[in-house]
Amino acid sequence: EAGVTQSPTHLIKTRGQQATLRCSPISGHTSVYWYQQALGLGLQFLLWYDEGEERNRGNFPPRFSGRQFPNYSSELNVNALELEDSALYLCASSLSGHRGEQYFGPGTRLTVT
Amino acid sequence: DQQVKQNSPSLSVQEGRISILNCDYTNSMFDYFLWYKKYPAEGPTFLISISSIKDKNEDGRFTVFLNKSAKHLSLHIVPSQPGDSAVYFCAARSNYGGSQGNLIFGKGTKLSVKP
Repeated sequence: EAGVTQSPTHLIKTRGQQATLRCSPISGHTSVYWYQQALGLGLQFLLWYDEGEERNRGNFPPRFSGRQFPNYSSELNVNALELEDSALYLCASSLSGHRGEQYFGPGTRLTVT
Repeated sequence: DQQVKQNSPSLSVQEGRISILNCDYTNSMFDYFLWYKKYPAEGPTFLISISSIKDKNEDGRFTVFLNKSAKHLSLHIVPSQPGDSAVYFCAARSNYGGSQGNLIFGKGTKLSVKP
């Protein structure tokens, strides 16, 4: 069974640009979560999508947004990139809602210069 | 305000011995706890979990203990193997209020198992 996949592996952007990160969940999982791991910090919750709807978001500004598609894959968009957005962005999936464990993808390393 | 704390940034253990990783939490509304292992340049890998209604869960070499009165959990790895060398994250989940769905992570403990 394929795990959570994310693309791209690495992304380099300049300040002020927009970044789009993609995630495909494990087959059968309908919930997708996004986390940010900045250097020296733990994993910080960004967004939770379930059945196509945003269910919860963490303490991040509105320029962090996303969506979930009918096939449950998800996209994270970061607008007006700032240097401090440089981080590893991790996507996780789980069974519907908040039940069960979350399984993580390999992450996208975003570098903002 | 850190709700999940892993106070030991690193731990070094001899191969074959027991590794004990500790985690403290402050939010009494947490109802589910998880441990993840993370290698560099990879996403976290789920290891083991425990519901707040239990005090122990075992899976092979991994055992998690939960002490609700002390708001403390620990992960025991017996016997430790060099391949266990990684960063271990403790995570907690609350299904109430504004924390629904997301996991709250500690900052991790780097385990080194020496041959």
